[in-house]
Amino acid sequence: EVQLVESGGGLVQPGGSLRLSCAASGFTFSDSWMYWVRQAPGRGLEWVANINQHGSEIYYVGSVKGRFTISRDDARKSLYLQMNSLRAEDTAVYYCASHDSMDYWGQGTLVTVSS
Amino acid sequence: QSVLTQPPSAAGTPGQRVTVSCSGSSSNIGTYNVNWYQQLPGTAPKLLIYTNNQRPSGVPDRFSGSKSGTSASLAISGLQSEDEADYYCATWDGSLSGWVFGGGTKLTVL
Repeated sequence: EVQLVESGGGLVQPGGSLRLSCAASGFTFSDSWMYWVRQAPGRGLEWVANINQHGSEIYYVGSVKGRFTISRDDARKSLYLQMNSLRAEDTAVYYCASHDSMDYWGQGTLVTVSS
Repeated sequence: QSVLTQPPSAAGTPGQRVTVSCSGSSSNIGTYNVNWYQQLPGTAPKLLIYTNNQRPSGVPDRFSGSKSGTSASLAISGLQSEDEADYYCATWDGSLSGWVFGGGTKLTVL
């Protein structure tokens, strides 16, 4: 059974940093594209970033370029999102997803950016 | 404003057939495959349809997808109360070099 478990969310002040993690199990992690998708309170889904199997292809939504960094550790079967210079508008539930079509999703971790 | 346009709401009675539209452009739906996701209240999204019209294992055949030109549609037949959820379309956008989601459609079963 595929499982994705996010962690690392919390309350952070504007301008601060946070690192999200996603622990994967139940599939060959190294073979899978991985994604971060977020959902602001009461809003729709927004793709944030994705990374290919080898980490050689990485894409970001424009609003986070230069502030967020997606990475993966295949040995640890983990996906990461380093978030710097956080803004109020980054407040959201952050989901990790796996496989080409974002076939599987974790339960999400809440990030709140507020003073 | 989302790159993909969905109606904000849709409704139907049990047993009815409802459709949800998703309108895009040549840089996204016109070129790439479309996926659909279902998000039940308070839960994470779930893949419902991939590659325009393919159902993952376990998704009832009441759900179907189609694509024509720069638009896609999700159809739900034999509507059930448990289908009440938010539905999102998504695809790759070649101009943006990123994934784009529709704004979501809230389906109400009357």
